[in-house]
Amino acid sequence: NAGVMQNPRHLVRRRGQEARLRCSPMKGHSHVYWYRQLPEEGLKFMVYLQKENIIDESGMPKERFSAEFPKEGPSILRIQQVVRGDSAAYFCASLLQGFGDTQYFGPGTRLTVL
Amino acid sequence: DAKTTQPNSMESNEEEPVHLPCNHSTISGTDYIHWYRQLPSQGPEYVIHGLTSNVNNRMASLAIAEDRKSSTLILHRATLRDAAVYYCILMTGNQFYFGTGTSLTVIP
Repeated sequence: NAGVMQNPRHLVRRRGQEARLRCSPMKGHSHVYWYRQLPEEGLKFMVYLQKENIIDESGMPKERFSAEFPKEGPSILRIQQVVRGDSAAYFCASLLQGFGDTQYFGPGTRLTVL
Repeated sequence: DAKTTQPNSMESNEEEPVHLPCNHSTISGTDYIHWYRQLPSQGPEYVIHGLTSNVNNRMASLAIAEDRKSSTLILHRATLRDAAVYYCILMTGNQFYFGTGTSLTVIP
């Protein structure tokens, strides 16, 4: 996990608020995956990004969720108008070369929606 | 649609080998088999991966069946620090498919 940073580690939001989750990949990595993990379940793929490009967002809910990975700065997963069902752990993983490469995971952000 | 099937839990005595099985009967010819593990309240950690041949690294060995429909992760000497949830994952296209994994308990 060394090198992949996620913040905040814990985030509490009330229903209807926005949640912004940040992921700073390992140095030199230009690919990022986002996953969601519900309690007692495995990780579910959400989106795969390369800098300034969304490669695959087939795992993202169609509404309220968006992700970006700008040329400069961290990757952002944004959840608008959060609902209780959004409460989960959100993990990002960074890769050096993209598809097929080893994924290095961050420590996760635990989102709680009150 | 996790694409892999693993036992929910396993136990092992400390210092003994552990064989963690995984079935992936729908694997296609280009799917890589990856294993990651996750300790409580942490992100997953890479363990090993392979395509067709058996693989060894400092953490573990991966034995892949000849028909590739199953594989086994082998920890040669389990330690207390190996207690974690182990995920067998197929990489298909751009995506990793995580199942629910095997929760390994190591008994001192």
